[in-house]
Amino acid sequence: NAGVTQTPKFQVLKTGQSMTLQCAQDMNHEYMSWYRQDPGMGLRLIHYSVGAGITDQGEVPNGYNVSRSTTEDFPLRLLSAAPSQTSVYFCASRAGTGPYYGYTFGSGTRLTVV
Amino acid sequence: AQTVTQSQPEMSVQEAETVTLSCTYDTSESDYYLFWYKQPPSRQMILVIRQEAYKQQNATENRFSVNFQKAAKSFSLKISDSQLGDAAMYFCAYKLGRGDYKLSFGAGTTVTVRA
Repeated sequence: NAGVTQTPKFQVLKTGQSMTLQCAQDMNHEYMSWYRQDPGMGLRLIHYSVGAGITDQGEVPNGYNVSRSTTEDFPLRLLSAAPSQTSVYFCASRAGTGPYYGYTFGSGTRLTVV
Repeated sequence: AQTVTQSQPEMSVQEAETVTLSCTYDTSESDYYLFWYKQPPSRQMILVIRQEAYKQQNATENRFSVNFQKAAKSFSLKISDSQLGDAAMYFCAYKLGRGDYKLSFGAGTTVTVRA
C-alpha cells in the first residue's frame, strides 16, 4: 500500500537511551519531515528534508538528529532520550512539485521516556 | 515561524447540527495556503479542506466549508449536518507559498458530537 510507514507505533525508553524512529515512503516524494505532537501545542516541526542528502532544522530540533541517504527513508534519531521528549511523533511527506500541496502523514509513534 | 491560533480547545455539537471552529494566523506574506486537518482517535492525520490565499472564493468539501477572511487573517471551518464520525481533533495549518514546504499548526480543537 502506498503511503508513509512509521515504525514502531509505540515505544518506551529509559532516560539516556538512544533510539531511531523509522519513516519510509514509497511515493517518490522529495519532501519529508518530522513533527512532534504535544497536548495544547499542536504539531511542531522538528527536522525536514527537501531531497536525498539535504536536511534542515525545524522549530524544535534540539535532541534530535536526521539524515536522508535515500529518497524513501528519513529516520529520526534520539541520541540521549529525556522525559521532555515524551510525545507522539509524525512523519509526513509530499511531492516537491505540482499544483496541489498535499501532505501524506504516517500513523504516528507514541514515545514515552521514563 | 508563522503563528496559527485556535482559541477554542473544545467544542460540542448535537448530531445533525452545525459547528464552527475558529482559526486566526499571523503572516506578512500574500502567497500562502491554509488547511484544516482532522485527527480521529486512530491518530491518523486526514486533510479536510484547503484554501489558496489568492482565491477569494471559500473552499467547500461536502459538509465542510471555510470562511476565509484574508484581511482579518481568519480561516474558520464550518461542519454542517454533524455526524458521529466527525468527532475528532481538528487542526488549522498554514504553509507559505511556492518554494516552501513547512506546515505551521494551531493547537487544535477537540470536537465532540452528541447523539
